[in-house]
Amino acid sequence: DQQVKQNSPSLSVQEGRISILNCDYTNSMFDYFLWYKKYPAEGPTFLISISSIKDKNEDGRFTVFLNKSAKHLSLHIVPSQPGDSAVYFCAAKAWYGGSQGNLIFGKGTKLSVKP
Amino acid sequence: DVKVTQSSRYLVKRTGEKVFLECVQDMDHENMFWYRQDPGLGLRLIYFSYDVKMKEKGDIPEGYSVSREKKERFSLILESASTNQTSMYLCASSFTQTSSYEQYFGPGTRLTVT
Repeated sequence: DQQVKQNSPSLSVQEGRISILNCDYTNSMFDYFLWYKKYPAEGPTFLISISSIKDKNEDGRFTVFLNKSAKHLSLHIVPSQPGDSAVYFCAAKAWYGGSQGNLIFGKGTKLSVKP
Repeated sequence: DVKVTQSSRYLVKRTGEKVFLECVQDMDHENMFWYRQDPGLGLRLIYFSYDVKMKEKGDIPEGYSVSREKKERFSLILESASTNQTSMYLCASSFTQTSSYEQYFGPGTRLTVT
C-alpha cells in the first residue's frame, strides 16, 4: 500500500503563475518530509524540506506547507519558470532496518511550465 | 559539493548476463541506497546499506544483490539480467547523523536488457 501519494501525474502551468504540487501520506509516524526535483536523464536533486513541528517552510520561490491533521503537504512555486519543468517527488522519512534515513517516495508529478 | 558518481550512464546487456553497477560517493556518508525509477512507479528502493559490509533489503530486492566492501562504494549486482530489469537505476547516499535526512543522488544508469 502506498504510504506517500502524489495523485496528479502531471500539471501544466503558465509561466509567471503559481504551481501547486500536492502530496498525501498515510503514516502518522512520518516526521520529516522532502521535495526533490528531477530532470530527464539526471538524478533527483533536493529542493526543500519540512519538519513535522512546522507548518511552513520557505526558500526563495519555493514554499512547502504541511497540514498534519489532513496528512497533506503541498509545494508552491511562485512565480513558475520554464526551467521548473521537471518531475517533482515528495518523500517522507521512514525508519526501518538499521538505517536512520530511509525515504519513502511518491510516484512523482510532472510539471510543465509553458512560456 | 557532495558528489555521487555511477560507473555508466547507459548500459545495454543481454538476458542472462551478470551486470554490475557501481556507485561511489566522496562525502564519507554512512548510508548508501540503490533505487530504480520506472514511469508511473516513482522511485523504488532495492537495497540499502548503513555501514561497510552491512546490507538490508528494500522494497524490491528480488533478482538483485549488493556489495559494500568500502565505505565510499556500493555495488548493485543483477545476477542474471532479465528484460523486466530494464530501468533507470539511481544510487544515493546520506549521513546518519543529520537534521535534514537529505539523500544525494548520482546521475543514474539507464540499463536496457535485450
